[in-house]
Amino acid sequence: DAMVIQNPRYQVTQFGKPVTLSCSQTLNHNVMYWYQQKSSQAPKLLFHYYDKDFNNEADTPDNFQSRRPNTSFCFLDIRSPGLGDAAMYLCATSRDRLGSAYEQYFGPGTRLTVT
Amino acid sequence: DAKTTQPPSMDCAEGRAANLPCNHSTISGNEYVYWYRQIHSQGPQYIIHGLKNNETNEMASLIITEDRKSSTLILPHATLRDTAVYYCIVRVALGGGYNKLIFGAGTRLAVHP
Repeated sequence: DAMVIQNPRYQVTQFGKPVTLSCSQTLNHNVMYWYQQKSSQAPKLLFHYYDKDFNNEADTPDNFQSRRPNTSFCFLDIRSPGLGDAAMYLCATSRDRLGSAYEQYFGPGTRLTVT
Repeated sequence: DAKTTQPPSMDCAEGRAANLPCNHSTISGNEYVYWYRQIHSQGPQYIIHGLKNNETNEMASLIITEDRKSSTLILPHATLRDTAVYYCIVRVALGGGYNKLIFGAGTRLAVHP
């Protein structure tokens, strides 16, 4: 049973053309994350939502934005993709409570190519 | 943020135990050690986590030293499907009750016949 779903799995966009990646979850988790993973590198957190509370990492470029219209869905918007934004984009979710240990569930990722 | 150090790569024969070490000498008292793995072209997969005590589940065992400055992930009977990059992560606690994972370079484990 799919728990964290990312569509599409592969996305090709042109340099400077806005693109949106989507993530949905069936786990009813309150926290959702977006990571960027470039070739042969570790995943790097871009931002996360705690419920509707948006949290941006300090070094996430302004070119990246996110929307979470409801608990189940989260979108990553890249306003003007550059060649350097070609990467795998991973969505993850977790159920978080103060003081508790938790795990993150990752989707399969969307591989973005910028031409 | 507590950082982790792992060997860049390891080999293991199929059917043998794979022991993956991790150093986290700056870990603080309330930080957990997590292990994830990433098989090629897939999202990371949670394996196990621990605070002080050794832990075991259906996938692996986690051995944490008494001073908590290092840990070892043990895959008791490695198979070819265990070939992946294994990440040891110290969970960073943020305000408001939520946390984030900072991935290091990981260990690339190759299981061979």
